[in-house]
Order: sequence, then structure tokens, then C-alpha cells
Amino acid sequence: ETGVTQSPTHLIKTRGQQVTLRCSSQSGHNTVSWYQQALGQGPQFIFQYYREEENGRGNFPPRFSGLQFPNYSSELNVNALELDDSALYLCASSRRLAGYNEQFFGPGTRLTVL
Amino acid sequence: TQLLEQSPQFLSIQEGENLTVYCNSSSVFSSLQWYRQEPGEGPVLLVTVVTGGEVKKLKRLTFQFGDARKDSSLHITAAQPGDTGLYLCAGANTNAGKSTFGDGTTLTVKP
Repeated sequence: ETGVTQSPTHLIKTRGQQVTLRCSSQSGHNTVSWYQQALGQGPQFIFQYYREEENGRGNFPPRFSGLQFPNYSSELNVNALELDDSALYLCASSRRLAGYNEQFFGPGTRLTVL
Repeated sequence: TQLLEQSPQFLSIQEGENLTVYCNSSSVFSSLQWYRQEPGEGPVLLVTVVTGGEVKKLKRLTFQFGDARKDSSLHITAAQPGDTGLYLCAGANTNAGKSTFGDGTTLTVKP
């Protein structure tokens, strides 16, 4: 069974640029969620994709957008990068089960905005 | 807004000691997960609890879900240096589409 993978591992961008982060979900999982984790804090929910549609969104501006593909992989796009966007971006995949939201995380992408 | 508060924020103990960390909320969750995260890596799922009062054991780790499904605890017996890490709890509700995380407890176990 293949786990969740993310690319790239690290990324350095400058303020105002755009970035795309990628995630491949664990085999058998149809739901992908993205989280932002700032240093010293817990992950903050950005949004979730299920069957290629956004299924819930956290308190993030529209410049954070995403996609899910038919093979359940996903992208996170961030436009007009700001310094505060520097964080570890985590992708988590899950399989919808009644009463559960058991998510399995990838290793993350460390984004630094200068 | 659902919030999860974890305590203590930091914990430093000697190898062989026992410890308990807590995860509290004013909101009810249908399930709660505990994760362990090492620096620069993604969280690793330890356990999911779904029933009020449920107790689950994973070797030296014991997890309990409160009767009202608003709080949880993680007890580690005879801690080892390999237990060092950030312990995160996350609550979820059915079909809500997201998990709410606490800010974690950073545990350091000294040999």
C-alpha cells in the first residue's frame, strides 16, 4: 500500500509569486484535505476535496485554491504569496466512513516566502 | 468555532517516568484522533476514538475519550526517548469535511 506523497519537499518563493503544491493520496482513499502548519502551531484546515469537488473550506482567502483529479491526487495553488504564507503545507488523504475522519498525512512541503 | 486546547504545551521528563497529556474542548466531536509528529515531517496517526468513555491501548500508550466526547487524554507508561515528539489531537464531525487540531504537546524524554 502506497502512502501519501507530496512534492516538492522544500520551496522558496518571493512575495507576490504563485506556487503549486502536489499530493498523491494513499491507495484506496478518495478524499484529500490540505492543512497549513505554522511553526509552533497545530495544522489549520484549508479545504477538502471529495470526488473532484471542494467539500468544506477553512478560514483562508480565495487566493488559496485547489484541484482534485480523477485519480484522487490533488494540487494546492496559492497566488500573490505573502510573507505569512511561510509554513509547512500538509496533505492528508482519507476514505469516507460513517462517523470517521481518519486521515493519513504526507511528509509536507516546507514553503518559505521571502 | 470549535477549538481544542492541549495541555501542557511542553513536557520534559526522564526516561522511565509516566505522563498524561490532555485535549479539551467545549464542543462535541463524533471522533477524535491522536497524532505524533516529528520535526519537519507530517503527523502520524496513533489512534481514533469514537465512543464516549472509550479506552484504547497501544503498547505503552493509553488513550481515553471523555464520556461527553468533548475531551481526551493520552497516558504514556515508562516513557522512552523514542517517544519524544509533538503530540496532536484532532476532532472531527461526521461529514463536516475537516478536522480541528489543537496546538499540541511537545514531549521530550531524556535518557
